[in-house]
Amino acid sequence: AQSVTQLGSHVSVSEGALVLLRCNYSSSVPPYLFWYVQYPNQGLQLLLKYTTGATLVKGINGFEAEFKKSETSFHLTKPSAHMSDAAEYFCAVSDTNAGKSTFGDGTTLTVKP
Amino acid sequence: GAVVSQHPSRVICKSGTSVKIECRSLDFQATTMFWYRQFPKQSLMLMATSNEGSKATYEQGVEKDKFLINHASLTLSTLTVTSAHPEDSSFYICSASLTGTTNYGYTFGSGTRLTVV
Repeated sequence: AQSVTQLGSHVSVSEGALVLLRCNYSSSVPPYLFWYVQYPNQGLQLLLKYTTGATLVKGINGFEAEFKKSETSFHLTKPSAHMSDAAEYFCAVSDTNAGKSTFGDGTTLTVKP
Repeated sequence: GAVVSQHPSRVICKSGTSVKIECRSLDFQATTMFWYRQFPKQSLMLMATSNEGSKATYEQGVEKDKFLINHASLTLSTLTVTSAHPEDSSFYICSASLTGTTNYGYTFGSGTRLTVV
């Protein structure tokens, strides 16, 4: 069984500020972890993924996430927020690299000018 | 690469009619596809997993006779909402497994907004 908890359904930051979106997971096997972004009325776009190897994962648009097994966390960060980063973000866990995924409830990121 | 095309993007239908949503993998063969449903301001809920050439596996609580899934080829999976009712109005998203490609994970379609009136 696997689950994902995204802490904070809404996060608001100023343009240029650090973005931190939190994700904790539960998995009975080594997890595959993903972060996705969703813009209104669109599908999901993969930001980054962790499968094995290096625990700091760099993704698109300046985002990165660090897999911390001891904390069962996979938080998403970006050093400097841009207005275009305003969207819905989903963390997901899978027990394989392409099996069923379990999604968190999502975090709405608002970027203030 | 690894693009999934989902159509239509929006559809409005009358209550009692059926609607078909298509999900095509454009540049790779998708052995496994997933169908999700998303209510406003909520997360994605997996409805079913479809494997090419075999019957779909439905999640608990999903009516297989209402949500017909066909995955007859390696590049096409379809979801048909039969006898649609207003409560079926939702955002439906397909996803394809990238197993067998040089990538890992999944790629998602752009979603279909279904409104039943």
